[in-house]
Amino acid sequence: QVQLQESGPGLVKPSETLSLTCTVSGGSITSYYWSWIRLPPGKGLEWIGYIYYTGSTNYNPSLNSRIAMSVDTSKNQFSLKLNSVTAADTAVYYCAAGLGPFDHWGQGTLVTVSS
Amino acid sequence: IVMTQSPATLSVSPGERATLSCRASQSVDSNFAWYQKKPGQAPRLLIYGASTRATGIPARFSGSGSGTEFTLTISSLQSEDFAVYYCQQYINWPWTFGQGTKVEIK
Repeated sequence: QVQLQESGPGLVKPSETLSLTCTVSGGSITSYYWSWIRLPPGKGLEWIGYIYYTGSTNYNPSLNSRIAMSVDTSKNQFSLKLNSVTAADTAVYYCAAGLGPFDHWGQGTLVTVSS
Repeated sequence: IVMTQSPATLSVSPGERATLSCRASQSVDSNFAWYQKKPGQAPRLLIYGASTRATGIPARFSGSGSGTEFTLTISSLQSEDFAVYYCQQYINWPWTFGQGTKVEIK
């Protein structure tokens, strides 16, 4: 059973860069496409983008200019960087596995953007 | 593709049937999924391919529809089913979700 765990700072200042890492256990990082999805307070889920173990990526155009994803196959981890954050980026961030339907999710991590 | 769920909130008594709807702004064929989200927990995949239950999902959950109109039916609500339900299309990038339907105890 694939398990995912997000990690990273829970508080980021406006205009700075949000950085999160997802650690995959119980399976190989070569087995799935890996996505980041977020849930802002009072809103619906938003898909941010995905990365494959080869490094191939696909980002949501609404965030494309601010996103960078990377993968470290030696550590079974993948990461998200979102720059120039504002209060609108405050959300619970999830990492998830799957191509379209997401079979496995991490527990999520709350990231608050505030000075 | 914009996904529109209705109603926003559904009040149902335990043991009753719940019917949730989702409409896509253009056809997604059967590239469609439903998720259940409880407070403090990760979303859980319920249905994919519009009507296929994910592994371990009870038979009281059923999905139907194709194209632009989809339905999730919970045949007899159990206490653990009170949650927020999201629909999602995965035919076109960016993959998009609905705003959610909250199923609450009546």
